[in-house]
Amino acid sequence: AQSVTQLGSHVSVSEGALVLLRCNYSSSVPPYLFWYVQYPNQGLQLLLKYTSAATLVKGINGFEAEFKKSETSFHLTKPSAHMSDAAEYFCAVYSSASKIIFGSGTRLSIRP
Amino acid sequence: AAGVIQSPRHLIKEKRETATLKCYPIPRHDTVYWYQQGPGQDPQFLISFYEKMQSDKGSIPDRFSAQQFSDYHSELNMSSLELGDSALYFCASSLVRRRTGENTEAFFGQGTRLTVV
Repeated sequence: AQSVTQLGSHVSVSEGALVLLRCNYSSSVPPYLFWYVQYPNQGLQLLLKYTSAATLVKGINGFEAEFKKSETSFHLTKPSAHMSDAAEYFCAVYSSASKIIFGSGTRLSIRP
Repeated sequence: AAGVIQSPRHLIKEKRETATLKCYPIPRHDTVYWYQQGPGQDPQFLISFYEKMQSDKGSIPDRFSAQQFSDYHSELNMSSLELGDSALYFCASSLVRRRTGENTEAFFGQGTRLTVV
C-alpha cells in the first residue's frame, strides 16, 4: 500500500526565509504525489502534483517540490516565505485509482 | 472554472438525528471521494465512487451510507448521529483518463461543517 509521512507537525520560519516542508513516500510503484494547502476553515487547495513527467514540479504561489526516488522524498519548498503562506500543508498520494491518502499535515507559521 | 460544490456549508444536528450531505463534482468528472476531517486531524478517507459504482471504502461507519447518482452528484447519508461525528466533511472529484486508466488530480470542495449537539 502506498503512504506518505510528513516530518514535523509544525514549522515556523521568518518572513522572507526559505520554507521547507518534508514529505517521504512509500510505494512499490511510481507514485502520483500531491501537495495540498488548507487555510483555516477552508477546503483543500491543490498546490502542485507529481505525475512522473518531471522531477521538479512548480506549483502555485511560488511553491515547488522535487521528486527524489533515491530518497523516496517529495519535499515542498519556497525560496521566500510570505505572511499569507501561513496554513496547513498536506502531502498526499494516490493509494489506488480510487483513494487518496494524506499525510498528517504540517502547520506552517510565518514570523514577522 | 466550475469547482466542486458541497451543500450545505454548515449543519447543526442533534444526537441520533440524520444528516444528508451533497456533493456536485466538477462537470465531466466521473470519480467522487468523501473525506472526514476532525479538529486538528488530517482528512480521513471514507468512500469513493467511479461511474456511479462504489470503488473503494475506508473507515466509514456502518451508520453512514453514500451513493452517486446518474448526474454524478453524490450524497453522504449519516444516521444515528453521535457527538464524535462532528467534523468537516469534504468531497472531491477527479477524472479517469480513458487511455491510461489513471486519475487526474482530485479537486476538493469547501466542505460541510457538521456539528452534532
